[in-house]
Amino acid sequence: KAGVTQTPRYLIKTRGQQVTLSCSPISGHRSVSWYQQTPGQGLQFLFEYFSETQRNKGNFPGRFSGRQFSNSRSEMNVSTLELGDSALYLCASSGGQETQYFGPGTRLLVL
Amino acid sequence: SQQGEEDPQALSIQEGENATMNCSYKTSINNLQWYRQNSGRGLVHLILIRSNEREKHSGRLRVTLDTSKKSSSLLITASRAADTASYFCATDEFPGGKLIFGQGTELSVKP
Repeated sequence: KAGVTQTPRYLIKTRGQQVTLSCSPISGHRSVSWYQQTPGQGLQFLFEYFSETQRNKGNFPGRFSGRQFSNSRSEMNVSTLELGDSALYLCASSGGQETQYFGPGTRLLVL
Repeated sequence: SQQGEEDPQALSIQEGENATMNCSYKTSINNLQWYRQNSGRGLVHLILIRSNEREKHSGRLRVTLDTSKKSSSLLITASRAADTASYFCATDEFPGGKLIFGQGTELSVKP
C-alpha cells in the first residue's frame, strides 16, 4: 500500500495570507490526524477527523481549521498567517488500530 | 502542551553500544508509542505498548512501561550509525486519535 502523502512539501507565504495543506491517508484508513512541529513547542496535536467528522481538537486558535472528504482525504487551512505558524505540519492516518502512520510533512515558512 | 518529558535530551554513543531513552507522562493512557524522526522528516512508528503490558520487544528494540510511575523506556541494542535520529514517545488517551508527544531524545551513533 502507498503511504500517507502530503502536498505541497514546501510552502512560503507572507503574514496575513492563508494556506491550505492536503493529506491523503493510506488506502482504507478513515482517521486522519494533524500535528504541528516547531523547535520551541515540539510536536503538538491540531485535530483528528474520522469519517468526515472532527473527533478531537487540540488547543489551537480558530485560524486553524480542517475538513475531511468522503474518500478520507483531509485538508487543513490556516488563515491570517502569523510568523509563529512557520512549522512542519504532519498528517497521520490510522486504520482503526492505535498506530498512526505519518506522512513526510509540509514545511511552511511564513515571512 | 507536552504530555511529559524525555530523558536525556541528547545522547551520543559509539556503534555497537546500547542506547536507553526514558519517557515520563502525566495522565492515564491507553497505550504508549515510540517514533523515530530523521532530520525533520516524517515520523516512523517503532513500537506500541498497551497500558496492560509491561515489556515488549521488536528486533533490536525493547520497550518497558511502568504505569505506576507513569514512565517508559526504549532500549536500542547494538546500535548502528543508521539509528542516528530523534526519538519520541507519544501517549494515546481514550478514545484515541490524539497522540501527545514528549520533547524527544536526539540520538547520535558514531561509527
